[in-house]
Amino acid sequence: AQSVTQLDSQVPVFEEAPVELRCNYSSSVSVYLFWYVQYPNQGLQLLLKYLSGSTLVKGINGFEAEFNKSQTSFHLRKPSVHISDTAEYFCAVRANFGNEKLTFGTGTRLTIIP
Amino acid sequence: SQTIHQWPATLVQPVGSPLSLECTVEGTSNPNLYWYRQAAGRGLQLLFYSVGIGQISSEVPQNLSASRPQDRQFILSSKKLLLSDSGFYLCAWNVVPYEQYFGPGTRLTVT
Repeated sequence: AQSVTQLDSQVPVFEEAPVELRCNYSSSVSVYLFWYVQYPNQGLQLLLKYLSGSTLVKGINGFEAEFNKSQTSFHLRKPSVHISDTAEYFCAVRANFGNEKLTFGTGTRLTIIP
Repeated sequence: SQTIHQWPATLVQPVGSPLSLECTVEGTSNPNLYWYRQAAGRGLQLLFYSVGIGQISSEVPQNLSASRPQDRQFILSSKKLLLSDSGFYLCAWNVVPYEQYFGPGTRLTVT
C-alpha cells in the first residue's frame, strides 16, 4: 500500500513570491505521482503528473514538480504566484501496475496575500 | 470530449432520511468510476469504485452503498443518513490508466 504526507496544511505566500508545497510518499513498489488543485466548492483538476522519464515535470498554470526517488518526494513549485492560485492542492500516488486507485494526501491550502 | 456530471450540486437532508447522488459520464465507454468523500478540513477518502456494470468495490465499511446500473452511471445511496455523512462528494472516472478526472461535486449537509 502507498501513503502520502503533505506536511504543510496551510501555506500563506505574498503575491509574486515563489512557493513550494511539499509532498512525501511511502511505497514498497514503483509509483506514479500526481498533483491536483481544488478551487473552492469545485472538483479536482489535474495540475501535473509523473509517470516516468525526466524527473522534472511541468504542468498547467506555471507549476512544476520534481520527483526525487531517494527522498521519496514530489514537491510542487511555482516561481511567482498570483491571486488566482489561491486553492487547495493535493498530492496523490498510485502503484505503477495493477488497479488504478489513487491515495491522496490531506491537502495544502495555499493562500496568496496581495 | 469527455464530461462528467453530478447532481444535485447541494443537498440538505435530515438525519435518518435516504440519499441518492448521481454521477454520469459522457463521451467515453467503459470507464472506471469512483466515489470519494471529502470531509471538512480533511483529504479525499475513496468510498467505492467500479470497473464495470454491476461491479462495485467498497473501500470503507459505512452507511453508504453504490450501484452502477449503466456503463456511464454511478449512484451513491444511503437508506438512513447520519450526521457524519455530511461532506463534499466527488465522482471521478478514468479510461487512460493514469490520472482520474473529477466531477464538480455534491455538497451534502445532514442536519
